Amino acid sequence: NAGVTQTPKFQVLKTGQSMTLQCAQDMNHEYMSWYRQDPGMGLRLIHYSVGAGITDQGEVPNGYNVSRSTTEDFPLRLLSAAPSQTSVYFCASSYSPAGRALNEQFFGPGTRLTVL
Amino acid sequence: GDSVTQMEGPVTLSEEAFLTINCTYTATGYPSLFWYVQYPGEGLQLLLKATKADDKGSNKGFEATYRKETTSFHLEKGSVQVSDSAVYFCALEDGGSQGNLIFGKGTKLSVKP
Repeated sequence: NAGVTQTPKFQVLKTGQSMTLQCAQDMNHEYMSWYRQDPGMGLRLIHYSVGAGITDQGEVPNGYNVSRSTTEDFPLRLLSAAPSQTSVYFCASSYSPAGRALNEQFFGPGTRLTVL
Repeated sequence: GDSVTQMEGPVTLSEEAFLTINCTYTATGYPSLFWYVQYPGEGLQLLLKATKADDKGSNKGFEATYRKETTSFHLEKGSVQVSDSAVYFCALEDGGSQGNLIFGKGTKLSVKP
């Protein structure tokens, strides 16, 4: 199993550009989520999905879109990048919500995004 | 809303020293509690967890006990190694959502030989 994979590892964007961060998992997990990690802020939840076709907002959803057309993939779209979106982005997955059912949440290696 | 407060870092220790990283929480009810670890350049990994009051989670020599009376879940290890250098995150189950996790800000640990 490859686990949770994310592409790209690094990305530099200009303000106003759009892009999609890719996330895939091969563990047949129903639950997937996106976090951003900023210095001194810990991890903050952007969006999450409890299964294909179902998505919901987390703590900091503004400026980001997600969709979940398959169990395996959960892409994160930046519609018009802003410097405030400079961050490290982590995708995670688990059989069910990590807290509720106590299943381990598996994290990808992260995407480091810089918006100029 | 629910929240997690961790001790500020960074924490620098010598090898074989005793480690404590404090974590307290605010929550309605009795959420499950977790410690995650992030090694340099990697994503987070679950270190240990506890589901109810007085439960003790343990893994790789690390321990944490769910203390309802003090709303705490402090991480401890009796003898740290250089390989324990990482960022440690305390987290709790968000009872108001679909079981998502709420993370603390993280504590960076550096262990010197």
